[in-house]
Amino acid sequence: DAKTTQPNSMESNEEEPVHLPCNHSTISGTDYIHWYRQLPSQGPEYVIHGLTSNVNNRMASLAIAEDRKSSTLILHRATLRDAAVYYCILNSALNSGGSNYKLTFGKGTLLTVNP
Amino acid sequence: DAGITQSPRHKVTETGTPVTLRCHQTENHRYMYWYRQDPGHGLRLIHYSYGVKDTDKGEVSDGYSVSRSKTEDFLLTLESATSSQTSVYFCAISEPQLAGGVADTQYFGPGTRLTVL
Repeated sequence: DAKTTQPNSMESNEEEPVHLPCNHSTISGTDYIHWYRQLPSQGPEYVIHGLTSNVNNRMASLAIAEDRKSSTLILHRATLRDAAVYYCILNSALNSGGSNYKLTFGKGTLLTVNP
Repeated sequence: DAGITQSPRHKVTETGTPVTLRCHQTENHRYMYWYRQDPGHGLRLIHYSYGVKDTDKGEVSDGYSVSRSKTEDFLLTLESATSSQTSVYFCAISEPQLAGGVADTQYFGPGTRLTVL
């Protein structure tokens, strides 16, 4: 499986934008880039995903480099509730021909948001 | 929130005893997963199911078995619990989208904290 590299931790101030980087230099053409986050004492929750184009949803934006070897999750205005571990994941097929994908979690980036 | 519950939420048991964790969903999703989360390792896939009675191994399946007799329930069994199986266990579900490479979003349950003494 293709691997991702993320900083261990980042800090931000409340109401400021946050850019969380992820490197995935061995990404294959069919790998989707997923972002999940895990709030303290909770299960992971989906944030956003993309393949080639930048994506926006109500939670965040995902900027994907043209060569797809890196991506950035953007939180436009961080709140205290955004303090979590953020995981950048490349998903790969579980079984040949299947449409289902396995998520391989790394250690993620611990985001601290200062009031 | 996706309708996923896990039971029990906390359990303390002794080495050598059998333990069964239950994951229950109300979303009628076809795929279900069991992960464990340990400090320094992130989440690791134990087993998954792609339909009733259809299961397969993940990356850390040794010492665990699973069963899925109904769409809504996925059971994880530790036949003889060991201290190395002390962990937080998460269940997840997903429903395959269109064939041909569309990514599936996984929805996670609240977790079960298991301590094996």
